[in-house]
Amino acid sequence: KAGVTQTPRYLIKTRGQQVTLSCSPISGHRSVSWYQQTPGQGLQFLFEYFSETQRNKGNFPGRFSGRQFSNSRSEMNVSTLELGDSALYLCASSWTSGRTDTQYFGPGTRLTVL
Amino acid sequence: GNSVTQMEGPVTLSEEAFLTINCTYTATGYPSLFWYVQYPGEGLQLLLKATKADDKGSNKGFEATYRKETTSFHLEKGSVQVSDSAVYFCRIHNNDMRFGAGTRLTVKP
Repeated sequence: KAGVTQTPRYLIKTRGQQVTLSCSPISGHRSVSWYQQTPGQGLQFLFEYFSETQRNKGNFPGRFSGRQFSNSRSEMNVSTLELGDSALYLCASSWTSGRTDTQYFGPGTRLTVL
Repeated sequence: GNSVTQMEGPVTLSEEAFLTINCTYTATGYPSLFWYVQYPGEGLQLLLKATKADDKGSNKGFEATYRKETTSFHLEKGSVQVSDSAVYFCRIHNNDMRFGAGTRLTVKP
């Protein structure tokens, strides 16, 4: 079974631009979560989607948004990029959003903002 | 909200040494507890998990026991290998998902 895939793997943008990252979950998984990983802040939860509905949201500004499609694929958008948005963005999928469910992570998209 | 406090690294050990990485948490209700590992240049992989008090998760020689009385989920391995060098993350999940800060482990031959 194919794992979680994220595209693109690497991205370079300049301040003020916007970016869209894509995540394809494991087949059959309906929950997709997004995380931001930086050396200074570690792993921070952005949001979770389940069956096209946002279930949980972390403490990030409104510039960070996401959506999930009917096939469970998810996209994350960051508008008006800032230097501090440079990070590894990880997507994870699971069967449901239940507390016992294991999340399976993709390899991440490394975003560099210049 | 939930919080996870994880032992600060980096941790450097010689091959075959005993490993302990501490993880304590605060949470409402009955969270599930997880350890994930991240090898260089890769995403996170589940190492083990426990979903209720006194459960012991184990995988690849690593173990951790869900201790509700001490709100802890310490990761242990009796004999580490060079290939265990990675960053280890403790995570809790009830209605809120939190990761610890991560502990970088380096094992030297």
